[in-house]
Amino acid sequence: GNSVTQMEGPVTLSEEAFLTINCTYTATGYPSLFWYVQYPGEGLQLLLKATKADDKGSNKGFEATYRKETTSFHLEKGSVQVSDSAVYFCALSDWYFGSGTKLNVKP
Amino acid sequence: NAGVTQTPKFQVLKTGQSMTLQCAQDMNHNSMYWYRQDPGMGLRLIYYSASEGTTDKGEVPNGYNVSRLNKREFSLRLESAAPSQTSVYFCASSEHPGQGGETQYFGPGTRLLVL
Repeated sequence: GNSVTQMEGPVTLSEEAFLTINCTYTATGYPSLFWYVQYPGEGLQLLLKATKADDKGSNKGFEATYRKETTSFHLEKGSVQVSDSAVYFCALSDWYFGSGTKLNVKP
Repeated sequence: NAGVTQTPKFQVLKTGQSMTLQCAQDMNHNSMYWYRQDPGMGLRLIYYSASEGTTDKGEVPNGYNVSRLNKREFSLRLESAAPSQTSVYFCASSEHPGQGGETQYFGPGTRLLVL
């Protein structure tokens, strides 16, 4: 069946550090892949997505590339800010979510 | 344009009590979903409604019922609450079901504590 595995947190970084959050998936067919972000006390909101192999999704300095050969969709950002502190969820169409990775960015 | 709204924001129940969580969306979306979020487990789908008039079970439907009242509203009912149902509940909507590439839009959540 379909499933998503993402790295456990929390991840703690200093401001301006490089971020990688790993995500791998198991799926039949050709799913779409998503990253959602959840700020404290709020619901999830879409950060970026990719709908086919080799597509790169990007938004707000974050990016992730759909790698079918390694079944991965790792989230990266070159320089994190304190305001990026949140929980990040990798997801697979249509409703398969990873367990979430909490990111703490320290000034 | 409020997006997806949920009521109540927070609720405390005693074991065996019943309650209904309300969800409404104003984006004219066809599909709506109910999830629960538990620590370390991410979001798990309880029920979904692909379109008005249809509902289907998700991964964890036991102990819950749903009603798609109209295109805008999708409610979740706990008939006899149990402590295992203590969780944060999220409603979401999307324009179409199962099309792949569909973004889901989430409400702010309902925090439920069952004593």
